[in-house]
Amino acid sequence: DVKVTQSSRYLVKRTGEKVFLECVQDMDHENMFWYRQDPGLGLRLIYFSYDVKMKEKGDIPEGYSVSREKKERFSLILESASTNQTSMYLCASSSGQGGSEKLFFGSGTQLSVL
Amino acid sequence: GQNIDQPTEMTATEGAIVQINCTYQTSGFNGLFWYQQHAGEAPTFLSYNVLDGLEEKGRFSSFLSRSKGYSYLLLKELQMKDSASYLCAVMDSNYQLIWGAGTKLIIKP
Repeated sequence: DVKVTQSSRYLVKRTGEKVFLECVQDMDHENMFWYRQDPGLGLRLIYFSYDVKMKEKGDIPEGYSVSREKKERFSLILESASTNQTSMYLCASSSGQGGSEKLFFGSGTQLSVL
Repeated sequence: GQNIDQPTEMTATEGAIVQINCTYQTSGFNGLFWYQQHAGEAPTFLSYNVLDGLEEKGRFSSFLSRSKGYSYLLLKELQMKDSASYLCAVMDSNYQLIWGAGTKLIIKP
């Protein structure tokens, strides 16, 4: 069974802390994505990567960075967490370069910044 | 700007049929996706439409009209397990996904 695994289901952090969210996929997918999901809003893309060591900014990259040192792992980093980064964070992966490839999502990390 | 509109919440009865609409205004079009998301879980892929018409997959069907910027997801023979949020997403000319806010579907016995 294909899987995207996010390291934590729930996280509580303090303002100013550095936060690492880890995502691992076992499908040998080239493409990996980080989204945040907030009530009443559509998924918003933070960063994505089409290859190892490659990263591209999404719609809301401010306050975030990413790392992709290995094909299966894509990490999201909050350099200095702020309360407005309290959200559900979803990692996803897909294969190929075309437009029809579906996304496989992880179960999400609910991050609370106090 | 780019925009995806879908109803916030819908209620339907077990065994009935429900249609969830999605209208979009995007810079170009390279396909429309529907995903299902149960509370507290990951979104899972339901359907993909890139040409006009109806795609049927068991109890679920998805329709697309590109000229109208409109799609719907049709769920037949509703079951309690269909209670979930349904997310509409459009791939624009840059192959970026634009997401709607989702429709929460509540199924009553």
